Amino acid sequence: SAVISQKPSRDICQRGTSLTIQCQVDSQVTMMFWYRQQPGQSLTLIATANQGSEATYESGFVIDKFPISRPNLTFSTLTVSNMSPEDSSIYLCSVRAGAGEKLFFGSGTQLSVL
Amino acid sequence: KQEVTQIPAALSVPEGENLVLNCSFTDSAIYNLQWFRQDPGKGLTSLLLIQSSQREQTSGRLNASLDKSSGRSTLYIAASQPGDSATYLCAVRSTSGTYKYIFGTGTRLKVLA
Repeated sequence: SAVISQKPSRDICQRGTSLTIQCQVDSQVTMMFWYRQQPGQSLTLIATANQGSEATYESGFVIDKFPISRPNLTFSTLTVSNMSPEDSSIYLCSVRAGAGEKLFFGSGTQLSVL
Repeated sequence: KQEVTQIPAALSVPEGENLVLNCSFTDSAIYNLQWFRQDPGKGLTSLLLIQSSQREQTSGRLNASLDKSSGRSTLYIAASQPGDSATYLCAVRSTSGTYKYIFGTGTRLKVLA
């Protein structure tokens, strides 16, 4: 299994500012995944973070808006840049680990943009 | 393109009832399927993982089945309790050469005391 510490758990931000979300995993993993969950919606994959290379972004998400760092095999950050109210969502980091490559999640960051 | 649907979207039951949550997927070429629980404003907790070669998995009062040919999975919760109240999500990982999971829309469950 994998235990993921994610912070902050929630934040209220002003329009035009940026927020950086951190995830720390208790074991080394090759890939870390960042998801967004808009109010009342299911999860959408933003990007996959690999250590030592650029993150891979899904359609509709760009590096300028969601820059990602992956300095080592246990840590990653996602920044939400130049925020607008439409960015209000829960952001989640995730890894695959263990038998069957089960998906494990951090506790999520609930972001509200005013 | 894989699509995952969950029915019903919401469910309210009295405590003690046995219940079934449904998950349907359009592409039967899957690697595995995972069921999660999500409490309001929180992350996801993994409940059960079913590999493509398996028909079912059990954990306590939970039982998940998989029928790849019909593109369906069910999560059975026995003797439901108020603490089971949460949103339940299924996610499918396809064998199409990617590592991505596609998530369903979720079933919001409320168990009344």
